[in-house]
Amino acid sequence: NAGVTQTPKFQVLKTGQSMTLQCAQDMNHNSMYWYRQDPGMGLRLIYYSASEGTTDKGEVPNGYNVSRLNKREFSLRLESAAPSQTSVYFCASKDPGDEQYFGPGTRLTVT
Amino acid sequence: GNSVTQMEGPVTLSEEAFLTINCTYTATGYPSLFWYVQYPGEGLQLLLKATKADDKGSNKGFEATYRKETTSFHLEKGSVQVSDSAVYFCALRGSARQLTFGSGTQLTVLP
Repeated sequence: NAGVTQTPKFQVLKTGQSMTLQCAQDMNHNSMYWYRQDPGMGLRLIYYSASEGTTDKGEVPNGYNVSRLNKREFSLRLESAAPSQTSVYFCASKDPGDEQYFGPGTRLTVT
Repeated sequence: GNSVTQMEGPVTLSEEAFLTINCTYTATGYPSLFWYVQYPGEGLQLLLKATKADDKGSNKGFEATYRKETTSFHLEKGSVQVSDSAVYFCALRGSARQLTFGSGTQLTVLP
């Protein structure tokens, strides 16, 4: 039981490049989330998926797209990376009791 | 909207000292309140929670009491250890069922 896994752990992009952050959970949870963590700002919600086949915008969705590929996987795509997207990205899933479980994070730098 | 204000860090204590990290919130209705802990290089883990006024959450020697009259959920521990060094996040879950996080407090415990 690995919980929530994320790949890659680290990534450096040049401005304008694209990439997809992968997230998978093996706890059979319906809800999944993507957050970004910036110094002094806590975590902010980018997108979430309440169930397979549905996605919704969070607090800071601009510049991102998501795909809920199946119940296990929820990916985050940056189509044209910008330096303002330099951050640590966390994926989470939520159990029926509303507790969220977080992955180890992806540290992204955009130069 | 909902917001969480946390004590600014960083906080540095000696082993066995008493810890308090202040947290206040603004929310409509009756939110649930949480403390999460993030150890270096890892994702967030739920430390404790309280779902209604006057509830006390506790775990691993940490405690926090949901005070509706002062809109506070301060984290306390009577005797910290070096292994408690981490970043601590206060969070609330409001009527929309999403988490709103504070900015985090870095705690360093010296031997």
